[in-house]
Amino acid sequence: ETGVTQSPTHLIKTRGQQVTLRCSSQSGHNTVSWYQQALGQGPQFIFQYYREEENGRGNFPPRFSGLQFPNYSSELNVNALELDDSALYLCASSHPQSREQYFGPGTRLTVT
Amino acid sequence: SQQGEEDPQALSIQEGENATMNCSYKTSINNLQWYRQNSGRGLVHLILIRSNEREKHSGRLRVTLDTSKKSSSLLITASRAADTASYFCATDKGSGGSNYKLTFGKGTLLTVNP
Repeated sequence: ETGVTQSPTHLIKTRGQQVTLRCSSQSGHNTVSWYQQALGQGPQFIFQYYREEENGRGNFPPRFSGLQFPNYSSELNVNALELDDSALYLCASSHPQSREQYFGPGTRLTVT
Repeated sequence: SQQGEEDPQALSIQEGENATMNCSYKTSINNLQWYRQNSGRGLVHLILIRSNEREKHSGRLRVTLDTSKKSSSLLITASRAADTASYFCATDKGSGGSNYKLTFGKGTLLTVNP
């Protein structure tokens, strides 16, 4: 157990809808990163938040957005869902003094 | 885009044998990390090796890093059925401090047969 939790576990949405995924980091971990993992692929970096500010972004469009809260929780929001957004979404938290990331179990999003 | 590429894509061995997975990457890095993933769930950090290190051990795991060849290998000795999982290498080339990201390869699917 990494101490990182994500909700929901599974989610089915329709193309064009909006979705919010949630993550609760380990206490003391003020950096959270979000990754998208398509079937059979490695995780792809979406963005990172540090002290409630976006601190780096991967090659994802603006319809992917996030929030980080002072209580070590965070959200990933995706607007105008597309079929290709179907994937496992992983959040990972880390302590500022360590480069190791602690992953949650993921949210499996299916867009139909 | 994925920086790391693991080789082989899939590996099947018998319990008790050693498993070796390789990873190649393209650009300079701060460190390289190996993660394990069971059945499409969350990733578990196994080991981190810094760019100025050449070899690191953790229990039954041995990782090597050759920055001149931009490659790393993960050796799992005396494998067990519970080692069955996908293994990913991830490179970290952030600018330091709180700004960093991991770039993952596609992974090696290891199957250890009892």
